[in-house]
Amino acid sequence: AQRVTQPEKLLSVFKGAPVELKCNYSYSGSPELFWYVQYSRQRLQLLLRHISRESIKGFTADLNKGETSFHLKKPFAQEEDSAMYYCALAPSGNTGKLIFGQGTTLQVKP
Amino acid sequence: GAVVSQHPSRVICKSGTSVKIECRSLDFQATTMFWYRQFPKQSLMLMATSNEGSKATYEQGVEKDKFLINHASLTLSTLTVTSAHPEDSSFYICSARDYGPSGNTIYFGEGSWLTVV
Repeated sequence: AQRVTQPEKLLSVFKGAPVELKCNYSYSGSPELFWYVQYSRQRLQLLLRHISRESIKGFTADLNKGETSFHLKKPFAQEEDSAMYYCALAPSGNTGKLIFGQGTTLQVKP
Repeated sequence: GAVVSQHPSRVICKSGTSVKIECRSLDFQATTMFWYRQFPKQSLMLMATSNEGSKATYEQGVEKDKFLINHASLTLSTLTVTSAHPEDSSFYICSARDYGPSGNTIYFGEGSWLTVV
């Protein structure tokens, strides 16, 4: 079965603290993994994709095929990082279809 | 960058009526668009894949006669919620993939809030 699991609904940290938003997936093929962010009252925006291996706004994510994980990390959280974060999987075939995790609300306190 | 736009952003309709939501790709062509539904504080659930010039592909459990999808051009897909009921109230989001020079990126619309009263 194709599934994306984000075990934490809410993650609350203080400004400057490290952040790790967990994501595990279940897929038999070679998926494409993404992290999307949704700030309050705004549309979903792409944050990271595993194939580009880039760092955006200080966030990084490494695909671990052995653990079927794609955790999102940032060493020092900022208040403006407060948002809803979704991990998503694109099944092979490159159609644009996405399977989303349940989402994690990141709350960065001053 | 490429933009996907939805209209209306909010709509209130009476129970039993139908309501149409549009999804447009503004500066790229999309042969395929996707419709999602999002309940408050929950994830996005894929409802259907909209295919330009052919029938939409619905996910399991989604009533195709209830949620009519039309993709008549390379830049426009519409979702019509027919005979709406209060339980259809939700946030509907569309997306499209841009395979163009700017990169292989999926863009999302701003979403449409539907309230059925």
